[in-house]
Formats: sequence, structure tokens, C-alpha cells
Amino acid sequence: DADVTQTPRNRITKTGKRIMLECSQTKGHDRMYWYRQDPGLGLRLIYYSFDVKDINKGEISDGYSVSRQAQAKFSLSLESAIPNQTALYFCATSDWTGAYNEQFFGPGTRLTVL
Amino acid sequence: GQNIDQPTEMTATEGAIVQINCTYQTSGFNGLFWYQQHAGEAPTFLSYNVLDGLEEKGRFSSFLSRSKGYSYLLLKELQMKDSASYLCAVIPGATNKLIFGTGTLLAVQP
Repeated sequence: DADVTQTPRNRITKTGKRIMLECSQTKGHDRMYWYRQDPGLGLRLIYYSFDVKDINKGEISDGYSVSRQAQAKFSLSLESAIPNQTALYFCATSDWTGAYNEQFFGPGTRLTVL
Repeated sequence: GQNIDQPTEMTATEGAIVQINCTYQTSGFNGLFWYQQHAGEAPTFLSYNVLDGLEEKGRFSSFLSRSKGYSYLLLKELQMKDSASYLCAVIPGATNKLIFGTGTLLAVQP
């Protein structure tokens, strides 16, 4: 079974709709992240959370919100989707060892906003 | 600001060696990662450097020079399955957030 899962894997929606992308992990990691990936722009950090009570904005948080429901679950919401939010979205997790921060990525959610 | 530069695309021949360079200018430095990403798939971890020098792992090696803000990923004995994007990422400081470059798309030809 995959350690980091994302649902849905693909979603097509219309402008103005509210969308939630979900991420679950069985790795027991405290740290979770949401990225979006666009051609030519690489991976950009939207939000991150270092534990259940900690939520932080990343580079491009406008238009997005998150919820950390439990150590294993981190959801990303688009309150009112717009076409330029069409992208590939990745959730990632990491442990904290004091010197190492390898991130493990989920399979991605391809979101299309029409 | 934070800036990470990689070539956009590279082409190499099966069985050959290729070096993918990465230069960075960040507010601090707490480590550099290389990830591999096949089209439409998740990035997967390849290597981590925090001290100057070469880290070798099978066919893949990664080098770091902190004074020059420079790293490279060396792929030996190239195989067709190595065709993918290679992402350089830096931890700029104590926050442990990763800043990614835009990636280098490597095409391995027969």
C-alpha cells in the first residue's frame, strides 16, 4: 500500500466551485506539505504544517486554505476555483531528524478548472 | 530572495555519462536534494548533500560546493528509463522548507 495517498487523482471542475483535495499518510510523519506544479515553474509550496496545531503559508497561498485534521491527514481547499489554479497538486510528508528533511510525495492530483 | 537555476533540457546517449548542474542563491543553506520525476508521476528522492564533496549511490552521484553555491548530479551508464526530469531543491535555512528549481528534462536516446 502507498505511504502517501491523495484523493481524487483527477478532477475537472468549473470556475467558482469549491474544491477539496485530500492527503493521507501512513508514514507517521509530523510534517506535511502541499505543492502545485506547473510546466516551466517547478514545484511551488502552497502551505505546510509541522504538526496538528501548526499551519504555515508557503510561497503561493492566496486562493487556497488548508486543514490538518489529524497527524495523518492534510486537506487543501480551493474556496472558489479559477482557471489559473489548473495544475498538478502534490502532497508530501517528512520526518524531522534534526539534520535531514527528505520529503515523500503522494501520486498527485491533476486539477482542471474550466 | 531565493533562486535556483538548472538547465531546462538535456539530451544524452544510452550508456553514456551526463552531468546536470544546479546553482543556487539562497538566504541560507541547510542542505541540497536531488529528486527524479517521471512524467505525470511523483518526485522520488535521489540524493542529499549538506557538506562539500561527492556522495555516490550506485550509478548516481551528487556533488556540492557550498562556497560556489553549486551542485551537480552525475548519472553513469545511462539507461532509457533515466529519461525524466531531475529537480534540484535547497533548504535555505532553519525553516526546513524546500525551494525547488524548475527541473532539468533529460532525454536518453538509443
